[in-house]
Amino acid sequence: SYVLTQPPSVSVAPGKTARITCGGNNIGSKSVHWYQQKPGQAPVLVIYYDSDRPSGIPERFSGSNSGNTATLTISRVEAGDEADYYCQVWDSSSDHQVFGGGTKLTVL
Amino acid sequence: EVQLVQSGAEVKKPGESLKISCKGSGYSFTSYWIGWVRQMPGKGLEWMGIIYPGDSDTRYSPSFQGQVTISADKSISTAYLQWSSLKASDTAMYYCARLGSYPSGYFDYWGQGTLVTVSS
Repeated sequence: SYVLTQPPSVSVAPGKTARITCGGNNIGSKSVHWYQQKPGQAPVLVIYYDSDRPSGIPERFSGSNSGNTATLTISRVEAGDEADYYCQVWDSSSDHQVFGGGTKLTVL
Repeated sequence: EVQLVQSGAEVKKPGESLKISCKGSGYSFTSYWIGWVRQMPGKGLEWMGIIYPGDSDTRYSPSFQGQVTISADKSISTAYLQWSSLKASDTAMYYCARLGSYPSGYFDYWGQGTLVTVSS
């Protein structure tokens, strides 16, 4: 089955740029989606189809996908961005959705 | 406004059965797949399976195949997740979510979650 690998944690100072990676075999050939989950809340879609932002998501959130790595980039990080972030793809070989293990973003 | 409203928290004993629900509103319920996602305490998101309420076509993750049953009643715009015999390891938060487009799509709307606690 297809495996998505995320770093368990990323730390960044306020105002700086955070980059959260999602690794997978030839993930660049797949569509990658990203979710933000704050404690006690349901996940929220922040990026879909690699780099599109849903309405209401700040422009500070962006995404890219190439080769074996997809990246969620959060510019000018704010304290309110502190959350768990998950990547997700559809694995065509199994017709299953797959989530990465999640990355905890800490704002220092 | 699209909404997915899940049934309330449940406390069950091992071996008991359970069926939790997810009611959709604000969109054509039969036109979008609905997925179920498990989150065990302090852990990440796990995809369990999806159902197309229009014809009840269903897909399961291998990890959950045979362990749970996903169903839907399109007449009342509601999807279900059920267990025939709960285990303590089923203790988790369960989310339903709408798949924005099939198959390579994203989950664009999520329910508020249903906490299931299984304890003797």
